Amino acid sequence: DAKTTQPPSMDCAEGRAANLPCNHSTISGNEYVYWYRQIHSQGPQYIIHGLKNNETNEMASLIITEDRKSSTLILPHATLRDTAVYYCIVRVTLNGNQFYFGTGTSLTVIP
Amino acid sequence: DVKVTQSSRYLVKRTGEKVFLECVQDMDHENMFWYRQDPGLGLRLIYFSYDVKMKEKGDIPEGYSVSREKKERFSLILESASTNQTSMYLCASSLSDTLRGDIQYFGAGTRLSVL
Repeated sequence: DAKTTQPPSMDCAEGRAANLPCNHSTISGNEYVYWYRQIHSQGPQYIIHGLKNNETNEMASLIITEDRKSSTLILPHATLRDTAVYYCIVRVTLNGNQFYFGTGTSLTVIP
Repeated sequence: DVKVTQSSRYLVKRTGEKVFLECVQDMDHENMFWYRQDPGLGLRLIYFSYDVKMKEKGDIPEGYSVSREKKERFSLILESASTNQTSMYLCASSLSDTLRGDIQYFGAGTRLSVL
């Protein structure tokens, strides 16, 4: 699985968009980009994933650059409940392979 | 919504005890996983299972065993608990879909303390 690089921490004002970057310059053509988050003392929560195209769901948007070497997770209107550690994971879709969670970005939403 | 339920949120056991951690998922997923999470070490895979009665070792299986007698249930067993098994234990399940990518869904976790 390709290595990812994320900033260790970020702040965001409540109600504003939170843009969380992820670099994955060694990504290969069959690797997906996944985003999870983990709120303190809870299990990781799936947010969104994509291969090439930008994706949007009820939680967030995922913007993947054309060369696929980086991506951005966008939380359009951050709330205090979005304070969590956000993990960007790049992996091939294989049958039941594990997810390798790195250190992620600790996002703090400020009132 | 996918639901992965772990039987306990907090557990305190004594050294040498046999410990059972239970996990149940309600979405008919083939794949189930047990991870442990420790500060600074991230999530590490202990065991996983592709199907009923099938199990595969992950990165750190020593001191653990697993059981999958039914598709929806995956149990982690600590045969003789030790203090270095104090950790947060996370269960996950997934349905592999090569078109949409496979998504792992996690339980809330069990924080185990071994005294």
